[in-house]
Amino acid sequence: GQQVMQIPQYQHVQEGEDFTTYCNSSTTLSNIQWYKQRPGGHPVFLIQLVKSGEVKKQKRLTFQFGEAKKNSSLHITATQTTDVGTYFCAGPGGSSNTGKLIFGQGTTLQVKP
Amino acid sequence: KAGVTQTPRYLIKTRGQQVTLSCSPISGHRSVSWYQQTPGQGLQFLFEYFSETQRNKGNFPGRFSGRQFSNSRSEMNVSTLELGDSALYLCASSLQGYGYTFGSGTRLTVV
Repeated sequence: GQQVMQIPQYQHVQEGEDFTTYCNSSTTLSNIQWYKQRPGGHPVFLIQLVKSGEVKKQKRLTFQFGEAKKNSSLHITATQTTDVGTYFCAGPGGSSNTGKLIFGQGTTLQVKP
Repeated sequence: KAGVTQTPRYLIKTRGQQVTLSCSPISGHRSVSWYQQTPGQGLQFLFEYFSETQRNKGNFPGRFSGRQFSNSRSEMNVSTLELGDSALYLCASSLQGYGYTFGSGTRLTVV
């Protein structure tokens, strides 16, 4: 079945260093979504990318959707302790507008002050 | 506006019992999805309801069921609980499929 894979599983960085997580889908995606889950919390929607090669920025976060629409990345510049959490990518498991999302296993980011 | 509300926040049940979890989506959101989150399997899709109809179903046994009411509130039920059903159950709602708002979840422990 459809799979979404993320690497790395864990990343420990010193505050101020950059961080990148990569997401790969076994199938072409109509869109890719990114979520952040703080320890003890629930996933919070960050962004959705739809177009091939799309790049979107949110302050220190840069999201990219691959040309083939099968991979994506999230890059955080100059990490802060508030960036701690698990970052998930997710792609639709069926029609693009249904609520069936296939999530990657997530990348857990630890930031040392 | 109010977010997605899930009740109860915590539950402890015994093997063999059944449990019902509740989710109230954001007002106006007609799509409600349920996910199971465990350390080993991550976030796994259970089912989605839209306008009281099940639109999608994940690969979970028939012990897992759900429904949606005319006011978009949703419930999920797990019968004959097993130890492996211990997990965080998350509900998410969306207006047009753009980004899903998750509730705080129900932490179910089966003993």
